[in-house]
Amino acid sequence: NAGVTQTPKFRILKIGQSMTLQCTQDMNHNYMYWYRQDPGMGLKLIYYSVGAGITDKGEVPNGYNVSRSTTEDFPLRLELAAPSQTSVYFCASNPGANVLTFGAGSRLTVL
Amino acid sequence: AQSVTQLDSQVPVFEEAPVELRCNYSSSVSVYLFWYVQYPNQGLQLLLKYLSGSTLVESINGFEAEFNKSQTSFHLRKPSVHISDTAEYFCAVSTTGNTPLVFGKGTRLSVIA
Repeated sequence: NAGVTQTPKFRILKIGQSMTLQCTQDMNHNYMYWYRQDPGMGLKLIYYSVGAGITDKGEVPNGYNVSRSTTEDFPLRLELAAPSQTSVYFCASNPGANVLTFGAGSRLTVL
Repeated sequence: AQSVTQLDSQVPVFEEAPVELRCNYSSSVSVYLFWYVQYPNQGLQLLLKYLSGSTLVESINGFEAEFNKSQTSFHLRKPSVHISDTAEYFCAVSTTGNTPLVFGKGTRLSVIA
């Protein structure tokens, strides 16, 4: 079992560029989440999904988009990167009892 | 909506000393409560959880937390810390029904030899 796999681990973007953070889980979990972590601010929920084809906004969705075409994959898209999106991004999945399994994180820098 | 307040952003403590990391929550409905730990350059891992039943919950590595409904608290304690406990600790809350977790801002525990 690989658990939750995130790619890339590190990325530097220029302002205005676009990119997709990939997230895959092999545990057949219905619930998946994207959080961002900023120093001293804890984790903020960006988007989440309760199953394939269903997504919903979290606390800080502006500037991001998601899709959930399969149970396994939950990519996060940044369309026009801004310096405020410099952060560490964590994907997580949940079988339905709030016991989240986190990926190792993707560190994004926007210059 | 729920919220979580972790009262200390940093807690330095000497090895083998006791430690308490404080967490208070706000919610108008019943809650589930969690502590997650993040070691340097890693993702978060579940440390312990309160879903129902006994208000005192324990982890496998000696941490415990007590759910206090009247004080809306879920403080994390360990009677004797080790260097390896150095990490950031996050308290989190959700309501019953699989709503997404809301995290506190974290407490950085530094254990000093």
